[in-house]
Amino acid sequence: DQQVKQNSPSLSVQEGRISILNCDYTNSMFDYFLWYKKYPAEGPTFLISISSIKDKNEDGRFTVFLNKSAKHLSLHIVPSQPGDSAVYFCAASTGANSKLTFGKGITLSVRP
Amino acid sequence: GAGVSQSPSNKVTEKGKDVELRCDPISGHTALYWYRQRLGQGLEFLIYFQGNSAPDKSGLPSDRFSAERTGESVSTLTIQRTQQEDSAVYLCASSRQGGEWDTQYFGPGTRLTVL
Repeated sequence: DQQVKQNSPSLSVQEGRISILNCDYTNSMFDYFLWYKKYPAEGPTFLISISSIKDKNEDGRFTVFLNKSAKHLSLHIVPSQPGDSAVYFCAASTGANSKLTFGKGITLSVRP
Repeated sequence: GAGVSQSPSNKVTEKGKDVELRCDPISGHTALYWYRQRLGQGLEFLIYFQGNSAPDKSGLPSDRFSAERTGESVSTLTIQRTQQEDSAVYLCASSRQGGEWDTQYFGPGTRLTVL
């Protein structure tokens, strides 16, 4: 039973445009959400996070939006760059435990 | 400073053999996590060490899996009598204190193939 779902396996966007990566979750106990980025043959690297007391967190070109009532979060990348091409994982945790529950990931391709 | 390192980077073994995977966390990080990623799947939590506390083993899939950590340094993940379904990338992560807000830094992983 997947508690964190990334339903689209891939996304392709043109350089300079916006990339929107979506994530849904089912466990209402999750209160901290993260996005990790992964290049081939490397471990995931932390990108941005948001706690459940917020609905938006921004860091440079990256913004994460959280809609708790819909149990949905999204990552916006503006403007998208070819170097953003990677697999993006959505992850979540509860206050009781720092272990992360991950989605399956989405492969983003940014076309020059 | 150095990041999380893991060895070996690749391991091919025969079904039924035991394997040991090693993780060197970032120096000073008290928390250490093991995850695995099977083909086409997200990362699955396996085990979590925090300082001298009893490890959280709730993610270990069977009693063939075990892990140890010496103090706040190296950890080894052991899989006994490997099965083909154990084939995956095994990832180790460490964080400063293990709190929910602490960023987990991942190593490059060990790709395990069980023939």
